[in-house]
Amino acid sequence: DAKTTQPTSMDCAEGRAANLPCNHSTISGNEYVYWYRQIHSQGPQYIIHGLKNNETNEMASLIITEDRKSSTLILPHATLRDTAVYYCIVMVSNQFYFGTGTSLTVIP
Amino acid sequence: NAGVTQTPKFRVLKTGQSMTLLCAQDMNHEYMYWYRQDPGMGLRLIHYSVGEGTTAKGEVPDGYNVSRLKKQNFLLGLESAAPSQTSVYFCASKTGGNEKLFFGSGTQLSVL
Repeated sequence: DAKTTQPTSMDCAEGRAANLPCNHSTISGNEYVYWYRQIHSQGPQYIIHGLKNNETNEMASLIITEDRKSSTLILPHATLRDTAVYYCIVMVSNQFYFGTGTSLTVIP
Repeated sequence: NAGVTQTPKFRVLKTGQSMTLLCAQDMNHEYMYWYRQDPGMGLRLIHYSVGEGTTAKGEVPDGYNVSRLKKQNFLLGLESAAPSQTSVYFCASKTGGNEKLFFGSGTQLSVL
């Protein structure tokens, strides 16, 4: 099963881009990468997902390396409300396994 | 649409008591999931269902049972609650393919 590795914590200055890395070196060719975030103890919130092409939506951009072994979530202009735990997940056979994620703190 | 609704939001049990958590979705989703989240940790998959009448085990299924008698509902049961089952429980659902998960707001369960 594909597993992910993320840094435990990161800081980012308000208004700057936040770049959150994720390693998924055992990912298979047809497995998607998903990003979610969780603010306090709320239910996780979907951000973005992709297979091999870079993706962008109103919340973020997802950059996946050509070999698909790693990806980066980019929040282009971080705000204080983006302070949360960010989870990088690989969906395997319709199962989503969450790791411990990256705790992002946006600093004023 | 209400999305994914979990009932109850809070519950306190004594060791050995039983209870059922209800998850309901109104999006006609095929797949439904139950997760638990302990303090400072990520979500761990307990059980999931790929369609009405089906269930399967996730990472941490011991001590829990589930049923999916109706497509819109996914029930999580604790037959004999233990303090180790104190946690926040999240339900999620999705449609088929590579679509995203939709989460409920969680149930805070304390077992004394």
